[in-house]
Amino acid sequence: DQQVKQNSPSLSVQEGRISILNCDYTNSMFDYFLWYKKYPAEGPTFLISISSIKDKNEDGRFTVFLNKSAKHLSLHIVPSQPGDSAVYFCAASSYTGGFKTIFGAGTRLFVKA
Amino acid sequence: DAGVIQSPRHEVTEMGQEVTLRCKPISGHNSLFWYRQTMMRGLELLIYFNNNVPIDDSGMPEDRFSAKMPNASFSTLKIQPSEPRDSAVYFCASRTTGDTNEKLFFGSGTQLSVL
Repeated sequence: DQQVKQNSPSLSVQEGRISILNCDYTNSMFDYFLWYKKYPAEGPTFLISISSIKDKNEDGRFTVFLNKSAKHLSLHIVPSQPGDSAVYFCAASSYTGGFKTIFGAGTRLFVKA
Repeated sequence: DAGVIQSPRHEVTEMGQEVTLRCKPISGHNSLFWYRQTMMRGLELLIYFNNNVPIDDSGMPEDRFSAKMPNASFSTLKIQPSEPRDSAVYFCASRTTGDTNEKLFFGSGTQLSVL
């Protein structure tokens, strides 16, 4: 029962272009959605989040879009840089159930110079 | 701030042995999570605690797995007996419950290999 799904295991993008990472969820009770970035041999680190009452949040080169009717969110990185190459995890949390946070399987992004 | 501290970084053991993973959360954080990362399932939630109390352990795969949080600054995840399929990276994470950002802070993980 995967409540948070990232269907693309990997994505390859040219430096300077846009990277779009997608995520789908099944539970309409989620209150917050977050993106984490993970480099090899390190723990995931928080990147950007969005509340369920919003449809867009922007932070520098990173923008997260939320489409509640489709239960879909996406992370846009513009422009992509080689240092963005990492695994990106989508996560969702809910105030009910004690702030449980569920992660997707991750998408590995390769940004080619 | 030292961040979330996990030990050991690497653990190699033989099937049937007991394994204990340790975690020290960030001081002041009152929620602690144990995750397991595998190629197939990504980051899988095993168990989490709020104020040292286990809230949801439905992700613990079998009775061979157990977790404790005796105080606010220490948690353990134990596997007994260990099996090769337990090989994975185990992450501990902490946060302040009620933080409007809801973000987790992760340790560097424990790479477990069961031979």
